[in-house]
Amino acid sequence: GAVVSQHPSRVICKSGTSVKIECRSLDFQATTMFWYRQFPKKSLMLMATSNEGSKATYEQGVEKDKFLINHASLTLSTLTVTSAHPEDSSFYICSARGPAGGVEQFFGPGTRLTVL
Amino acid sequence: GEDVEQSLFLSVREGDSSVINCTYTDSSSTYLYWYKQEPGAGLQLLTYIFSNMDMKQDQRLTVLLNKKDKHLSLRIADTQTGDSAIYFCAETTSGGSYIPTFGRGTSLIVHP
Repeated sequence: GAVVSQHPSRVICKSGTSVKIECRSLDFQATTMFWYRQFPKKSLMLMATSNEGSKATYEQGVEKDKFLINHASLTLSTLTVTSAHPEDSSFYICSARGPAGGVEQFFGPGTRLTVL
Repeated sequence: GEDVEQSLFLSVREGDSSVINCTYTDSSSTYLYWYKQEPGAGLQLLTYIFSNMDMKQDQRLTVLLNKKDKHLSLRIADTQTGDSAIYFCAETTSGGSYIPTFGRGTSLIVHP
């Protein structure tokens, strides 16, 4: 149980285009999901906390107009990278708080974004 | 300095024990975690320990917590090549809404 999926696993896009990444909790309802960005040889950087039915809470330094987060249902959150540039290339990982709102987080497999 | 620190690399021979160390700064940490990340994949929770515990063992994994020194370690017994991965230490606090703060990860390389 407690499986989180992400789609796509890899995406390559041209500079200036927008890319949407989906995060789904497959067998549980997740009222809270999290989006992280991971740089090579670096830790995970929390970008935003996404609560179902409300606006996401962004961490300091993360552009909310650049990284649009929507959490429209209890099993789906999306991250849209708008007008992507090469510096947005990264590994994006989502996680979901476990069933019944426990403190444990379950992580998706990540999405590798490459912007040409 | 960083809130959670780990050494970046560890190399061991197959069959030996691996010990990955982590230090943290927040004395109000409630849970401490070890995650494993294989190449190109997300994070897999290996084990976690509550801050009022000193030790937790789960098959080949042993977690030791020294709360006084804010030091956490993960010991992998009989390390196998399949254990090669990046291991992240993380901590959560109740004041931080239990959102983990991660270290930079230790890259474990197991060679035959």
